[in-house]
Amino acid sequence: QVQLQESGPGLVKPSETLSLTCSVSGYSISSGFYWGWIRQPPGKGLEWIGNIFHSGSTYYNPSLKSRVTISVDTSKNHFSLRLSSVTAADTAVYYCAKVGRDDGGIDYFDYWGQGTLVTVSS
Amino acid sequence: ENVLTQSPATLSLSPGERATLSCRASQSVFTSLAWYQQKPGQAPRLLIYDASNRAAGVPARFSGSGSGTDFTLTISSLEPEDFAVYYCQQRSNWRVTFGPGTKVDIK
Repeated sequence: QVQLQESGPGLVKPSETLSLTCSVSGYSISSGFYWGWIRQPPGKGLEWIGNIFHSGSTYYNPSLKSRVTISVDTSKNHFSLRLSSVTAADTAVYYCAKVGRDDGGIDYFDYWGQGTLVTVSS
Repeated sequence: ENVLTQSPATLSLSPGERATLSCRASQSVFTSLAWYQQKPGQAPRLLIYDASNRAAGVPARFSGSGSGTDFTLTISSLEPEDFAVYYCQQRSNWRVTFGPGTKVDIK
C-alpha cells in the first residue's frame, strides 16, 4: 500500500520560501510514476502545483511556474516542493499525491497524503 | 486554460435518494476526466477516472459518464457516508485543473 506523508514548517513569513517534503513508503519512487503537489486554501477548491518523475522531469502549473521548484531524492524516496516569494494567498493545505498511471506526467491522482497546513504570516 | 464548471454548487438530498452531479469543460477533454470525494479534514479520494472507470474499492453505487465537454457523476442511492464535496479534474494541454466542487449535504 502506497503511503505519502508531507512535512515542513507550518508557518512561513511573507516574501520567504515555502519548503515541503513528501516521504513515500510502500513504493520506490525510482520504479516509476509521476508524483505531484496540490494545494487547497482554507474553505476553497483544489489547485494543482506540479508533478515530477524520478528522472527529474517536471510539469508545472503555468500560473505558479515562476515561483515553483519540485525536486526528487530517490535515495531518500521523497520529493520536495519549494515556493518562493510567498504571500498570504499561498496559505493553504498542501497535499502530495501519486499519479495514477505510469504512461505520462499528467493524469489523475490515486494516492494522497493527509495534507499539511502552511500559513503565510509575519 | 481548460476551465471546469460544476453544478449545482450545493445539492441537498436525503439518504437513499439519487444524486446527479455535473461537470462541464470549456474545451473537450475527450474522456480524460476524474472525480474525487472529499470529506472535512481529509484528503480527496479518487472515485472515477477516465470518465467512467471506478477506482479500486469504490462502491458500485458511484458511476461516471460523459465525454468531450459534459460529464456526470451519479450516486444511485445516497449512503450517510456519501455526504461530502465532489470535485472533477481534467488533464489537457499538459496541465491539470479541478472544478470548484459540488457539496452534497443532508436535506
